[in-house]
Amino acid sequence: EAQVTQNPRYLITVTGKKLTVTCSQNMNHEYMSWYRQDPGLGLRQIYYSMNVEVTDKGDVPEGYKVSRKEKRNFPLILESPSPNQTSLYFCASSLNRGNGYTFGSGTRLTVV
Amino acid sequence: KNEVEQSPQNLTAQEGEFITINCSYSVGISALHWLQQHPGGGIVSLFMLSSGKKKHGRLIATINIQEKHSSLHITASHPRDSAVYICAATGNQFYFGTGTSLTVIP
Repeated sequence: EAQVTQNPRYLITVTGKKLTVTCSQNMNHEYMSWYRQDPGLGLRQIYYSMNVEVTDKGDVPEGYKVSRKEKRNFPLILESPSPNQTSLYFCASSLNRGNGYTFGSGTRLTVV
Repeated sequence: KNEVEQSPQNLTAQEGEFITINCSYSVGISALHWLQQHPGGGIVSLFMLSSGKKKHGRLIATINIQEKHSSLHITASHPRDSAVYICAATGNQFYFGTGTSLTVIP
């Protein structure tokens, strides 16, 4: 089944403790991206990747890192999480930027 | 000012009604997306448009490039259509509307 798999679905962590949210797609898509969704602000793009080893900042990249060492994986790294990074996170992939997107199920992160 | 504006923000309809959600954008785009987010949180991509009109079942999406406007129509609405509908524009960046929350009452 074609899908984008995000893990974990739920995560509660403490301020400053490094964490990684994984994202994997099995559709050989070139374009992958991360978003956060907050009440009243909607979805905002954090980082995106046009292909392996090609990543770029979205609207709200501060406090996040990404890597794209393989085509299928695009992990989101929070080196030192803070409470303002408490949010619902989505990963998505697409054949290329102008095509339809497949979204992961979301990761609800709480930083205390 | 948001680059993508949606209206209405909230919409309640009776089952069977014809529904229209509007999206206006102010930037140059290569594609316009309509997304659906159910109460559980998952997001599904409904349509990707660069011109004209697309139809999938009871859903129809149109775009007018000159007027920078897109609409999502739902014919014969059903309670299972209750969700948040999000318009998103792909240009130099990815721009999202804040969503329209639709409730269809039986």
